[in-house]
Amino acid sequence: KAGVTQTPRYLIKTRGQQVTLSCSPISGHRSVSWYQQTPGQGLQFLFEYFSETQRNKGNFPGRFSGRQFSNSRSEMNVSTLELGDSALYLCASSFEGVSGANVLTFGAGSRLTVL
Amino acid sequence: EDQVTQSPEALRLQEGESSSLNCSYTVSGLRGLFWYRQDPGKGPEFLFTLYSAGEEKEKERLKATLTKKESFLHITAPKPEDSATYLCAVQAGGGNTPLVFGKGTRLSVIA
Repeated sequence: KAGVTQTPRYLIKTRGQQVTLSCSPISGHRSVSWYQQTPGQGLQFLFEYFSETQRNKGNFPGRFSGRQFSNSRSEMNVSTLELGDSALYLCASSFEGVSGANVLTFGAGSRLTVL
Repeated sequence: EDQVTQSPEALRLQEGESSSLNCSYTVSGLRGLFWYRQDPGKGPEFLFTLYSAGEEKEKERLKATLTKKESFLHITAPKPEDSATYLCAVQAGGGNTPLVFGKGTRLSVIA
């Protein structure tokens, strides 16, 4: 069974540019979450999509946005990049059962460097 | 606000030297507590979910336990391949809330 696939794995941008990251979840998983990981702050929640609707949103500025398509694939976009946006962006998908906590399965991440 | 604090930040062990990692949490109604392992350059890999105080789960040399305020990840007779960052996360009850992660414990096991 294929895991969570994120593309691109690495990218370098300059300040002021924008970037789009892509995530293909595990087949059958309808929930996709995005996290930003930095050495100083750890994993911080960006947003979560379920059935093409944003269900939860973290405390990030409006420059960070996302969407989910009908096949559950998701993209996130960061506009007007700042140096502080350099981070590992992780996508995770989950299958929501009837009850119990939702186990997230993570992709390998997209490493963004802003110069 | 839900919070997770992990200690120590870094831990260096000799091969075979058992130890424990700590995860203290505050959450409004615990739905689940998760342990993940993350290797350099990779995404976190799921290890365990614990749901209620007193619960324990084991996998090879790892054993996770849960109380009402904290969780421990016990590592028995570790090997160099256990070197990784171990992340703890909580999910609050009351709906599909996002996981809140601690900053992790970076474990190094020396042969």
